[in-house]
Order: sequence, then structure tokens, then C-alpha cells
Amino acid sequence: RKEVEQDPGPFNVPEGATVAFNCTYSNSASQSFFWYRQDCRKEPKLLMSVYSSGNEDGRFTAQLNRASQYISLLIRDSKLSDSATYLCVALTGTASKLTFGTGTRLQVTL
Amino acid sequence: NAGVTQTPKFQVLKTGQSMTLQCAQDMNHNSMYWYRQDPGMGLRLIYYSASEGTTDKGEVPNGYNVSRLNKREFSLRLESAAPSQTSVYFCASAGSSYNSPLHFGNGTRLTVT
Repeated sequence: RKEVEQDPGPFNVPEGATVAFNCTYSNSASQSFFWYRQDCRKEPKLLMSVYSSGNEDGRFTAQLNRASQYISLLIRDSKLSDSATYLCVALTGTASKLTFGTGTRLQVTL
Repeated sequence: NAGVTQTPKFQVLKTGQSMTLQCAQDMNHNSMYWYRQDPGMGLRLIYYSASEGTTDKGEVPNGYNVSRLNKREFSLRLESAAPSQTSVYFCASAGSSYNSPLHFGNGTRLTVT
């Protein structure tokens, strides 16, 4: 079983839709989580950190459920520019112990 | 402020050839990393350096060597390239806090024939 698992998608949604991705992690010792965004043939970029209390940044909301060992990303009012691959990342111990999921691809269409 | 700069952007090698991927960061970060990204595999850590003068193996170090030349620079060397090393390579750096986010370079696309 992979340490961090994501549905690869693609998720095809119309502009304006709300879409949610889940990510599960297997190591209960993981203490920090992140969502990164990666555009085609580009480097990953930090989208947001995920806090225990949940956090929101504009149209994006991230939540952490430690009991069930999953994190989620909700995107409201999807834009064409949101089309990308979203990587779920878990940190266990030091920064060298970052584990990346394989990513969920989102395609927003007109 | 360039962030993390990687060179080259593209490279084609023949099996057995050697090359060095260069990486430099101007954010005064202590930690630097080399990852490879392959379809369906996610990003996998090759080597990392927690501070100048130290390097440690990651998940997939075989076939690679690294050098932390100074605080700014962290290079990755393939001594004898193999087709299995065809991949996209990313350098990254991070600050000292344990949950500091990674800042990535724009990648090197390497093909080994």
C-alpha cells in the first residue's frame, strides 16, 4: 500500500463547479500535510498547508481528518486556470520524510 | 530573486555517459533536495542535504551521487547513465523549520537511450 494515496482522476468539471479531492495516508505518525499544484511539465508549487482545524484560502479549503487519516481539498467556483495536477504531501518527522502522492488531475472546461 | 535554479532544462544521454545536474538557490535555505518524478510514481527523493557539508540518501539513491558545494549549491551526478534513469529531475530547497514548504526548480528532463 502506498504511504500517500490519491485518486489519479482526471476529474473533468465545468467552470463554476465545486470539486473535492481526497487523499489518504497510512503513517499515523505523519504530522504535517500540504497540497501542491503542478501544471503540465512544470514544477510543483505549494498551494496550501493543511492544519488540524482546517483552513481556507479564497476558493480553496483544506481539511484534515486524523482519525480516518485523510486530507481533502475543496475548490469552489472552479476556473479554467485551476486545471492542473494536485499533489497531496505528508511530512513524517524531518523535512526529508516528505511523501508525495501521485497526484489528482483536474480539468476544468467551459 | 530567482528562487531555485536548475540546469540544464533538457538532456539526452547515451547509456554509460555521465553528467552533472546543477542546482542553486538564493533563499538562504539550509535544506536542499533532489527528486525524480516518473509517471504513476509520484516524486521520489534521491538525496537530500540538511545543511552545508552534509548529505544523506533518500528513497532511490542508487546510481547517483551528490555534492553540497556550499550553502547555495547542490549538484546531482550520474556517473554511468542507464535507461532507468530517464525521468524528470527536480531540485528543491526549504527553510529550517520542520514544516517549511519546498521550493522547486523548474526541472530537468533527462532521456537516456
